[in-house]
Amino acid sequence: AQSVTQLDSHVSVSEGTPVLLRCNYSSSYSPSLFWYVQHPNKGLQLLLKYTSAATLVKGINGFEAEFKKSETSFHLTKPSAHMSDAAEYFCVVSAYSNTGKLIFGQGTTLQVKP
Amino acid sequence: GAGVSQTPSNKVTEKGKYVELRCDPISGHTALYWYRQSLGQGPEFLIYFQGTGAADDSGLPNDRFFAVRPEGSVSTLKIQRTERGDSAVYLCASSLTGGQGDNEQFFGPGTRLTVL
Repeated sequence: AQSVTQLDSHVSVSEGTPVLLRCNYSSSYSPSLFWYVQHPNKGLQLLLKYTSAATLVKGINGFEAEFKKSETSFHLTKPSAHMSDAAEYFCVVSAYSNTGKLIFGQGTTLQVKP
Repeated sequence: GAGVSQTPSNKVTEKGKYVELRCDPISGHTALYWYRQSLGQGPEFLIYFQGTGAADDSGLPNDRFFAVRPEGSVSTLKIQRTERGDSAVYLCASSLTGGQGDNEQFFGPGTRLTVL
């Protein structure tokens, strides 16, 4: 079975400093991995996705993630945090089935301090 | 164009009552998903429709939960004899074709269900 584990439930950074949100995955096959962001009272929005092409994936709003098979990790990074980045972030794997259903991690709350 | 919409945005009901939650997917999207997000948790898959048929309902917690998509567009999630443990945000998502791979799922804002 596929799963993802987000290693931090809460991350706090200062505005202008780097962001690192950690995610490990478990999958017996080559997975499709995603990061979604959820702002308060708004729908989930796709930040980026990995589907076995380039291992370094660039997403929206300056975020990127690197797929590391040897470490089974898919960490999300951003060089410089902005106040508007404060939100809940989910690491997601697509289940190994013909449905495309998504399996979400528990989420990481990103706090950005001025 | 319009995104995925869900109605109502909030629903408060009493234990034992019946509720219906509606999802309007993006026009032309054949795949539709329902997820449930409990407080402090990530969303959990409930059911997947491809067209009018429920292709995967393995996430429905019990037989009190049922969903339909009669014309392959709008979907309704139905919960009978609601329990306090059903309180959660119910999310709907649609994608162009569904299936394995990188088909992006577009999420609606959710319906917050509170069972008193």
